[in-house]
Amino acid sequence: NAGVTQTPKFQVLKTGQSMTLQCAQDMNHNSMYWYRQDPGMGLRLIYYSASEGTTDKGEVPNGYNVSRLNKREFSLRLESAAPSQTSVYFCASSGPGTGRNQPQHFGDGTRLSIL
Amino acid sequence: GDSVTQMEGPVTLSEEAFLTINCTYTATGYPSLFWYVQYPGEGLQLLLKATKADDKGSNKGFEATYRKETTSFHLEKGSVQVSDSAVYFCALGGDGGYQKVTFGTGTKLQVIP
Repeated sequence: NAGVTQTPKFQVLKTGQSMTLQCAQDMNHNSMYWYRQDPGMGLRLIYYSASEGTTDKGEVPNGYNVSRLNKREFSLRLESAAPSQTSVYFCASSGPGTGRNQPQHFGDGTRLSIL
Repeated sequence: GDSVTQMEGPVTLSEEAFLTINCTYTATGYPSLFWYVQYPGEGLQLLLKATKADDKGSNKGFEATYRKETTSFHLEKGSVQVSDSAVYFCALGGDGGYQKVTFGTGTKLQVIP
């Protein structure tokens, strides 16, 4: 019963470094999401993938790229990290289908600090 | 666009006190409404949901009723426990070709013995 698994759990980067956050789900969900969580701002959607082979920008996509590798995996890449990207990143998935009744299932997050 | 407004925290209650966390929304169409809970160091978990007007969602002693006339979905619990200490998020599931969810900013609840 793994659900949504994110790696790594913690990471410290220097400004300008790159890294990829990994996410995998084992619930056969079609849709996957990346959010960032900052104090006082709730969750903000970075990118989403409604189904395998498609990705779209969310509310705050600048500075990020994503890859939907297959139905299970959805990665988030920071090409050149900036201090403003210090945050907690959550991956989520939902399905089957894309109806508005579907709740999202979250991983435990990646805590990323950029110095 | 869709939006969710929930009461600011933190909310501090004594054990066995009554809890209300207010949530109101703005949306087009007929959204679904959710409450999620986040315990320290963890991701969000679905607490309860309601998919149409006058529906009541309930789980673990928590309840919320979908009130279309007041565009509200307030979370209530009759007697809170220390283990209920967490951050609670109200959320709206709208239409958009995918399972788009709009989250409130979260309300931190602290229950003291």
